[in-house]
Amino acid sequence: AQKVTQAQTEISVVEKEDVTLDCVYETRDTTYYLFWYKQPPSGELVFLIRRNSFDEQNEISGRYSWNFQKSTSSFNFTITASQVVDSAVYFCALGGRASGTYKYIFGTGTRLKVLA
Amino acid sequence: EAGVTQSPTHLIKTRGQQATLRCSPISGHTSVYWYQQALGLGLQFLLWYDEGEERNRGNFPPRFSGRQFPNYSSELNVNALELEDSALYLCASSFREYEQYFGPGTRLTVT
Repeated sequence: AQKVTQAQTEISVVEKEDVTLDCVYETRDTTYYLFWYKQPPSGELVFLIRRNSFDEQNEISGRYSWNFQKSTSSFNFTITASQVVDSAVYFCALGGRASGTYKYIFGTGTRLKVLA
Repeated sequence: EAGVTQSPTHLIKTRGQQATLRCSPISGHTSVYWYQQALGLGLQFLLWYDEGEERNRGNFPPRFSGRQFPNYSSELNVNALELEDSALYLCASSFREYEQYFGPGTRLTVT
């Protein structure tokens, strides 16, 4: 079965602190994709990153970085020098064909509050 | 390039009524996905349409239905509304199955 776990329900940090959002997944697929989305208060999900299962290279985009480790089935997301505008709910998602039909499974989200 | 659009932004209905939500995908995208996000909860997959056909369905009762039109836009219908149907309904579109782009959502309130 496919599953995505975001154990951190809510995190509060002070501006300029670094913060890591955890994501652990389960799948029997050998080929799959992992995603992170940001959901600001407006409600729209904003695509942040996609990784495929064959590419374990870490990625950095500005203040954002992602650490993909197949050995621990984790795809963690770090925000460096957090800002108030980073306050949002962040979702990790898994896409794959475990049951024959392509499916997306989302985690329950982590609410990040960055305090000024 | 225009993103995914959804209408209406907000919808208020009473219990037992029907609701119709609409989604227009990004130009060139043939797949449309519908998700329900109840307050404080994650996204629950509802329906996936591709090339006019329903490809997959989440664990929702039959009163949740929809369709995809020849121009790839989509409609989600919820019949016999119940209070617990109150949620943000998000639509996403994709060209390739491993990328989804989301619209701003329709907030449905059932009273």
